[in-house]
Amino acid sequence: AQSVAQPEDQVNVAEGNPLTVKCTYSVSGNPYLFWYVQYPNRGLQFLLKYITGDNLVKGSYGFEAEFNKSQTSFHLKKPSALVSDSALYFCAVRASPGDTGRRALTFGSGTRLQVQP
Amino acid sequence: DTAVSQTPKYLVTQMGNDKSIKCEQNLGHDTMYWYKQDSKKFLKIMFSYNNKELIINETVPNRFSPKSPDKAHLNLHINSLELGDSAVYFCASSRGREVFTEAFFGQGTRLTVV
Repeated sequence: AQSVAQPEDQVNVAEGNPLTVKCTYSVSGNPYLFWYVQYPNRGLQFLLKYITGDNLVKGSYGFEAEFNKSQTSFHLKKPSALVSDSALYFCAVRASPGDTGRRALTFGSGTRLQVQP
Repeated sequence: DTAVSQTPKYLVTQMGNDKSIKCEQNLGHDTMYWYKQDSKKFLKIMFSYNNKELIINETVPNRFSPKSPDKAHLNLHINSLELGDSAVYFCASSRGREVFTEAFFGQGTRLTVV
């Protein structure tokens, strides 16, 4: 079975400071990892994904994430936070093709990012 | 030209009623999904269809029945609605069955059962 953990319900950061939103995963085989953002009363928007290759993945709106296989983590980062980044962030995983039957994303519980001006 | 569109956006209904939520995608994707987001924002997969074929059917009550008339549409019908069905339901789509493709989500349907 695949699972994702986001240990922080909320992350508070001052505008201009770097931010990190944590995510760890558990999956058999190779993981395919995703970050999504949800603004109030909106659907989820894709930010970035890790498939293979470079462990540092760059995505939309200046976000990036670092895949760490030994720590089974995929933390979301941004060098300088904006107030407009305030939203709910979801980490998700999909199993490799060898794990049959799992085609849908398994999401973490979400982390609310609050950026203070 | 919304990529994944759901209707209605809001749905308030009484217990025991039957209701449907419609979803359409114009991205040419083969795979569509229904997710349920509860009051604590937790997202859980309910169903997935690939080219009108049901490929994922998680443990949801039989009162929930997905229908895919073609690969661009995946509707969700709910019979005998219960208070616990209140949630936000998201439709999504992705290209093919590849596990590495991202999913595109609709704006959600907020269902309130009273």
